[in-house]
Amino acid sequence: DAGVIQSPRHEVTEMGQEVTLRCKPISGHNSLFWYRQTMMRGLELLIYFNNNVPIDDSGMPEDRFSAKMPNASFSTLKIQPSEPRDSAVYFCASSLILAGAYEQYFGPGTRLTVT
Amino acid sequence: KQEVTQIPAALSVPEGENLVLNCSFTDSAIYNLQWFRQDPGKGLTSLLLIQSSQREQTSGRLNASLDKSSGRSTLYIAASQPGDSATYLCAVDPSGNDYKLSFGAGTTVTVRA
Repeated sequence: DAGVIQSPRHEVTEMGQEVTLRCKPISGHNSLFWYRQTMMRGLELLIYFNNNVPIDDSGMPEDRFSAKMPNASFSTLKIQPSEPRDSAVYFCASSLILAGAYEQYFGPGTRLTVT
Repeated sequence: KQEVTQIPAALSVPEGENLVLNCSFTDSAIYNLQWFRQDPGKGLTSLLLIQSSQREQTSGRLNASLDKSSGRSTLYIAASQPGDSATYLCAVDPSGNDYKLSFGAGTTVTVRA
């Protein structure tokens, strides 16, 4: 399996522009997570989906952020309009959540720089 | 709110020495605990997952222990190698109901050749 795939790997954009980050989870996994990592705040869970349905988006910082999962093999995280404080590494992770313990598998991340 | 702490923040050892990484958490009612490795500029790689009913897990040179009552987990890496240099993070699933992991800030390890 190719693992979790994220694109782009790096994104540099100007303040006010729309940014779309993409994620392809591991085939067969039923849950998907979006995280943000910064030096100041560490790893933060933004939103997670189970069977393509958003279960908890309480970590989404504000209305400028939105996430979708139209099918089991694709998800997007959109920031509109982007701001310099959104600069961070955004990770997507997936897992197969059944009864019992599970593991989360992370993608390589998208490094976002907003100037 | 579950707080996860990893001390020290950084560690440097000579090659061959055993590594001991600590993770503590404030709420002992956890579902499982997971150890990750993160290389610079890369994503997280899952190393070991310990369920709340378990006391330890082993994989090769890695051994992770869990003491729920004291709110602690320890990751042991035997006979360290330069390739073990990375940041190690522990993450706690507080309930098993909503799958939210609470992450520690990590311990950055440097193994000197």
